[in-house]
Amino acid sequence: DAKTTQPTSMDCAEGRAANLPCNHSTISGNEYVYWYRQIHSQGPQYIIHGLKNNETNEMASLIITEDRKSSTLILPHATLRDTAVYYCIVRPYRRNTPLVFGKGTRLSVIA
Amino acid sequence: NAGVTQTPKFQVLKTGQSMTLQCAQDMNHEYMSWYRQDPGMGLRLIHYSVGAGITDQGEVPNGYNVSRSTTEDFPLRLLSAAPSQTSVYFCASMGGNSDRITDTQYFGPGTRLTVL
Repeated sequence: DAKTTQPTSMDCAEGRAANLPCNHSTISGNEYVYWYRQIHSQGPQYIIHGLKNNETNEMASLIITEDRKSSTLILPHATLRDTAVYYCIVRPYRRNTPLVFGKGTRLSVIA
Repeated sequence: NAGVTQTPKFQVLKTGQSMTLQCAQDMNHEYMSWYRQDPGMGLRLIHYSVGAGITDQGEVPNGYNVSRSTTEDFPLRLLSAAPSQTSVYFCASMGGNSDRITDTQYFGPGTRLTVL
């Protein structure tokens, strides 16, 4: 069973920030939060991950609440190419541990 | 590097036929896995392997066999195809040559399988 809860779908205007929430209220102390996305019918693509500190890379920012029970993925300037299904995944800090996907959030970026 | 490659891209089978979906990676990753994705659904883990000679079951292993004789290859076998196995199949690999957490899983382009 997926350990996360995400909205089924969201819309975002092109050029605006897209904020995708994820609830993981049962997260354990040794579990990371990962975000992947799947564009159309392609294989999923890694975006970012974090433990308890906020993280940023060239694709996105990840904001994790202090109690670690929820997080938000931020795409600072969404483009049409960011239209995809975004998956929030909780995974233990352990080598070679499988990723378990939920249903994700379908983000539609609108021109 | 070619990354993760999958063959074939498309396949149509009749019920009861057998086939093997091929997956290969050239990144020397020790971890490889197979997922299936039904229309409008998320990915479900079928089998995975943490190294040559080692395989384990995921969420939905029934009807599928795997083996891992080399680091590079991780084929998925359907022994007797059923219409319920109509799906898109994704193979993925993940690095693990150091003690740090393996944090990026790379996915192949998928194989679209239809069982009539």
